[in-house]
Amino acid sequence: GAGVSQSPRYKVAKRGQDVALRCDPISGHVSLFWYQQALGQGPEFLTYFQNEAQLDKSGLPSDRFFAERPEGSVSTLKIQRTQQEDSAVYLCASSFRRQGGTEAFFGQGTRLTVV
Amino acid sequence: GNSVTQMEGPVTLSEEAFLTINCTYTATGYPSLFWYVQYPGEGLQLLLKATKADDKGSNKGFEATYRKETTSFHLEKGSVQVSDSAVYFCGLIIQGAQKLVFGQGTRLTINP
Repeated sequence: GAGVSQSPRYKVAKRGQDVALRCDPISGHVSLFWYQQALGQGPEFLTYFQNEAQLDKSGLPSDRFFAERPEGSVSTLKIQRTQQEDSAVYLCASSFRRQGGTEAFFGQGTRLTVV
Repeated sequence: GNSVTQMEGPVTLSEEAFLTINCTYTATGYPSLFWYVQYPGEGLQLLLKATKADDKGSNKGFEATYRKETTSFHLEKGSVQVSDSAVYFCGLIIQGAQKLVFGQGTRLTINP
């Protein structure tokens, strides 16, 4: 498709389970971002890639969160030993610009519910 | 630090009413300001932006003016439509940085 694609759209995980969330950015986009959006809140920055390099991971809330983009295209956000506070919508965005910014296109997100 | 505060919702208006959604910010650097919109079932979309003081961003009948003296970027529309029903996010990005800083969002519902 032409847009940013995220899968799965919905994920229910039992507390303590590991999950992997996938993002397919727009083809050729250099920058890729992950954001976390808690219920009733705005998105909060998690991490940023420029091609395969993870240049900023300052927003990752704990060492249970890990993101990768090994070939500079598809990205995976992995959460280990999920906790209830990890329940949120995880948004991926990509941009043709190296600095991303407001030219980033967002996917529809993956809604993670930890029970 | 950098933060954005916007008018709490939900906001419910009748069609053709005038809309204002307030947004104020604090920033350590020199920010660009923006509004994103999220229609039901869709991803976030950039609605409009302004990169320097006194600039006005506009799109689809919406406008917002970058007011440095009041650190504000209020969203306005003269006559709303049912199709404007969505969640609106105000935010900022520090020039030279990559990450967007969002407000908490305002849900807008327009009744026919």
